Amino acid sequence: AQSVAQPEDQVNVAEGNPLTVKCTYSVSGNPYLFWYVQYPNRGLQFLLKYITGDNLVKGSYGFEAEFNKSQTSFHLKKPSALVSDSALYFCAVRDPADRGSTLGRLYFGRGTQLTVWP
Amino acid sequence: GAGVSQSPRYKVTKRGQDVALRCDPISGHVSLYWYRQALGQGPEFLTYFNYEAQQDKSGLPNDRFSAERPEGSISTLTIQRTEQRDSAMYRCASSLGTERSPDTQYFGPGTRLTVL
Repeated sequence: AQSVAQPEDQVNVAEGNPLTVKCTYSVSGNPYLFWYVQYPNRGLQFLLKYITGDNLVKGSYGFEAEFNKSQTSFHLKKPSALVSDSALYFCAVRDPADRGSTLGRLYFGRGTQLTVWP
Repeated sequence: GAGVSQSPRYKVTKRGQDVALRCDPISGHVSLYWYRQALGQGPEFLTYFNYEAQQDKSGLPNDRFSAERPEGSISTLTIQRTEQRDSAMYRCASSLGTERSPDTQYFGPGTRLTVL
């Protein structure tokens, strides 16, 4: 069965420090992985995705994520956090074996609330 | 350009009433998705369309929930005889629908449904 785990409900970090938001997944094959961010009263905004190739994926707003197949992880990272990065972050996975298509449902984690304090 | 829009943004209804939630996808996007997000949880898949065809409705919780996209653009999610457990944020997403690479889904702001 497909699933995504975000083991930390909250992450707190000081502005200027590096941040990591953790995500692990479980799918039957090679996964397609996504990160989204949700600001208050806003929709989910796409940050980045991993399909294949380089394990380090760069996305919007200076975020990057590292795919680690052996650890089945896709942690979100940023070298220097900003107060404006404070938001709710969701990891999601597409299972390529799901109906044999690149389209279709995403499986989301429960989300991690990131707070960056000045 | 315009993103995915949803209406209404907020809906309060009484138990037993029917509600219709609307989603207007990004222009040119072939695929349209509905998700439901309970408080403190991530979005959960309900159904999706390619053009006007409903491809997967396995996430709809019961037969009170239905969705349509008759002209391959705007979609309506209908909940009949609402119950308090239906209270949630309902999110719509759209994507280009290309099968050449995994598609990115772009989300609307959501409709917050409260059933009293």
